[in-house]
Amino acid sequence: GAVVSQHPSRVICKSGTSVKIECRSLDFQATTMFWYRQFPKQSLMLMATSNEGSKATYEQGVEKDKFLINHASLTLSTLTVTSAHPEDSSFYICSASRGAGETQYFGPGTRLLVL
Amino acid sequence: LAKTTQPISMDSYEGQEVNITCSHNNIATNDYITWYQQFPSQGPRFIIQGYKTKVTNEVASLFIPADRKSSTLSLPRVSLSDTAVYYCLVAPIAGNNRKLIWGLGTSLAVNP
Repeated sequence: GAVVSQHPSRVICKSGTSVKIECRSLDFQATTMFWYRQFPKQSLMLMATSNEGSKATYEQGVEKDKFLINHASLTLSTLTVTSAHPEDSSFYICSASRGAGETQYFGPGTRLLVL
Repeated sequence: LAKTTQPISMDSYEGQEVNITCSHNNIATNDYITWYQQFPSQGPRFIIQGYKTKVTNEVASLFIPADRKSSTLSLPRVSLSDTAVYYCLVAPIAGNNRKLIWGLGTSLAVNP
């Protein structure tokens, strides 16, 4: 149990376009989902936390209008990178937990390359 | 949130037992200790979680002394496929935003 999927696994887009990444908990209901970004040879950086049915809580320095997060159901959260720029190129990873304080289970990640 | 300190890298050989120690001197009473494994270009994979004493599952053991200021992840008989980065995280088990603060982890290289 505790399987989390992400789609797409990798995406290449042109600068200025928007990209949507989906995160799904396949075999459990995820009250809370997290979105992380990881640059090469660096650690994971938390971008935002989302609870089902409510607005996401963004970490300091993360633009909420640029990184739109929707957590409309207990099994799906989406991250939309709007007006992407080359500096947004990174590895985006989501995690999901059954509830407050529960263990986080991670998706396989999405590699974004903005040209 | 408690800060953790781990060795940056470790080397081992196939078949050996590997112990990775993590320091978390300011761990709080309601903090749990969780270890994750990450391969390149993949999301972290949950390994084990504990609060005190010893926890064992099918892949690893976690040893936590009484003062809980450190913890040791033990991987028995490692193989080449255990080459990865291992992260130690400390966070409260309760709360609406159970943030995990990630350090650089320990890069384990298993040699033939």
